[in-house]
Amino acid sequence: QGQLVQSGAEIKKPGASVKVSCKASGYTFTTYGVSWVRQAPGQGLEWMGWVSGDNGYTYYVQKLQGRVTMTTDTATRTAYMELRSLRSDDTAAYYCGREFCDSDRCWGIDFWGQGTLVTVSS
Amino acid sequence: QSLLTQPPSLSAAPRQKVTISCAGSSSNIAKNYVYWYQQLPGTAPKLLIYENNRRPSGIPDRFSGSKSGASATLGITGLQTGDEADYYCGTWDSSLSVSLFGGGTKLTVL
Repeated sequence: QGQLVQSGAEIKKPGASVKVSCKASGYTFTTYGVSWVRQAPGQGLEWMGWVSGDNGYTYYVQKLQGRVTMTTDTATRTAYMELRSLRSDDTAAYYCGREFCDSDRCWGIDFWGQGTLVTVSS
Repeated sequence: QSLLTQPPSLSAAPRQKVTISCAGSSSNIAKNYVYWYQQLPGTAPKLLIYENNRRPSGIPDRFSGSKSGASATLGITGLQTGDEADYYCGTWDSSLSVSLFGGGTKLTVL
């Protein structure tokens, strides 16, 4: 079984950017993609989008379009999620998860990173 | 407000059985596989059920999943105190082209 290891917690001021990394091991990175999911304190899970581990193709949810960029580096087997123009309501735990998506749908996250807490505060 | 509706909380005694429902619609659950995740306090979610009713290796058969139409159910038998967690259903929505999660169900074993 594979593993995803994320970067550490971040504290950012409103208006700043944050970039979270997610390093994969134990599986063929290019066969799958990586989804990003966030969870505000005491709240449920929110899917943010997906990036292909093969060709870098991305899909973002509409509410984050223009503020989020998801990328991968196949040489280091690492996925990245950058969120810009941070606001206080972006404070959340951010999770990466291995997910296979095709042209029709995504097929569910089968394992997750440990999470990265991003706090946005002045 | 999630498009997948779960009861916010449930409680049951040890060794009892509980079912957690997840209600969706014709564009999500009715057309796509359902997944169930367990999130223990302070940890990342973990896959419990995939493709409606299949268990990953290492998940005990006390956990089961089913789907009928636009609804799905997670069943847990022989409840243990270690099953206290938040449980989330998930699926793809073919109209919105997004992955969806239910609002989560907090299970208390008392």
